[in-house]
Amino acid sequence: QKEVEQDPGPLSVPEGAIVSLNCTYSNSAFQYFMWYRQYSRKGPELLMYTYSSGNKEDGRFTAQVDKSSKYISLFIRDSQPSDSATYLCAMRGSYNQGGKLIFGQGTELSVKP
Amino acid sequence: DTEVTQTPKHLVMGMTNKKSLKCEQHMGHRAMYWYKQKAKKPPELMFVYSYEKLSINESVPSRFSPECPNSSLLNLHLHALQPEDSALYLCASSRGQGGGNEQFFGPGTRLTVL
Repeated sequence: QKEVEQDPGPLSVPEGAIVSLNCTYSNSAFQYFMWYRQYSRKGPELLMYTYSSGNKEDGRFTAQVDKSSKYISLFIRDSQPSDSATYLCAMRGSYNQGGKLIFGQGTELSVKP
Repeated sequence: DTEVTQTPKHLVMGMTNKKSLKCEQHMGHRAMYWYKQKAKKPPELMFVYSYEKLSINESVPSRFSPECPNSSLLNLHLHALQPEDSALYLCASSRGQGGGNEQFFGPGTRLTVL
């Protein structure tokens, strides 16, 4: 079993839809949770960063972390064609666990006009 | 400014060539990383430098040789690569190596080995 599981998609939605992207993980030591957006042939761009459980909102994006269920989500409201990209979840433990970032496989999202 | 720059953008090299990839950041970050990314896969960690010292080497073949000349620069020297080494090579940096530090990625160098 991989440490982080993410449905690779592809996921196709119409413009304006609410998108839900999810990851599950098995390592209870993970404390820091990130979502990256990666456009084709570009480097990953940090979208959201959350520490421990809870919600964080930034414009059309909301990140949720449920440590009891080992489940994280990214919601995109009013999705736009420019949101079409691959979304990678990533997480890590504390420094004395090496601080290594563990990525999910990435979900390919397509928002159709 | 959360910019990490990488040069060159594209590189084509033969198996006998020696080339170098360069990464630069001016955010005062003290941890820098090299990742390798194949198509439709997540980035794979190769090396971590913390305060200009090699902190993590993920058992990368010796044909890849990292170097951190100062706190803003990170190089990856390439020699005798194989076609399967063709990939997007990403550099990243963070304030420190600890878990609470956000990693910022550069745009990558797309490497093709013939």
